Amino acid sequence: DTGVSQNPRHKITKRGQNVTFRCDPISEHNRLYWYRQTLGQGPEFLTYFQNEAQLEKSRLLSDRFSAERPKGSFSTLEIQRTEQGDSAMYLCASSSTGDISYEQYFGPGTRLTVT
Amino acid sequence: GENVEQHPSTLSVQEGDSAVIKCTYSDSASNYFPWYKQELGKRPQLIIDIRSNVGEKKDQRIAVTLNKTAKHFSLHITETQPEDSAVYFCAARRIRGSNYKLTFGKGTLLTVNP
Repeated sequence: DTGVSQNPRHKITKRGQNVTFRCDPISEHNRLYWYRQTLGQGPEFLTYFQNEAQLEKSRLLSDRFSAERPKGSFSTLEIQRTEQGDSAMYLCASSSTGDISYEQYFGPGTRLTVT
Repeated sequence: GENVEQHPSTLSVQEGDSAVIKCTYSDSASNYFPWYKQELGKRPQLIIDIRSNVGEKKDQRIAVTLNKTAKHFSLHITETQPEDSAVYFCAARRIRGSNYKLTFGKGTLLTVNP
């Protein structure tokens, strides 16, 4: 499968624990995005990388959230001291540069449940 | 920032009928408008998109129209089939600037009854 992959697909954790998610974008894509989706809502932008540079963070991304893309390939999203309000689907997407296609390709998501 | 409103939130049609979903956006600088289909438990997948230099785009049973003056765009699905049942999201972004992030509507749950 050459699409965007995410691991784990599901994560159940207790409040206060730290969790880390991984995203592997399509190999030639240098743009990578993280979105959060809660039930009945559209995806909401969290952060954006171009290569290894994190160029924007949403106000939704509190200090407990950190994202990295150290080599410009895969990315990780860490949530520290999880809260019940963090329960959501975390989606990763990637896209290429250039004007040929603007499509963002989404991964299957990581569903986080904080108990 | 950009704000996208989507209506209706749910839509139920009979197989073979047409379905129309409408979105409005607030940022006049937005010029790229994709539509994503998300089946239950699956990832969002792009079904059609339109750039602001055109007013309409078709792909078989799916079409999107854009009115830049009024800042609204619509998805039209003709001859609906049960497999069209899903949640549909509209989105908007600038082609350049704003770091390419998409702003999504809240989604429309389309149910096609056989």
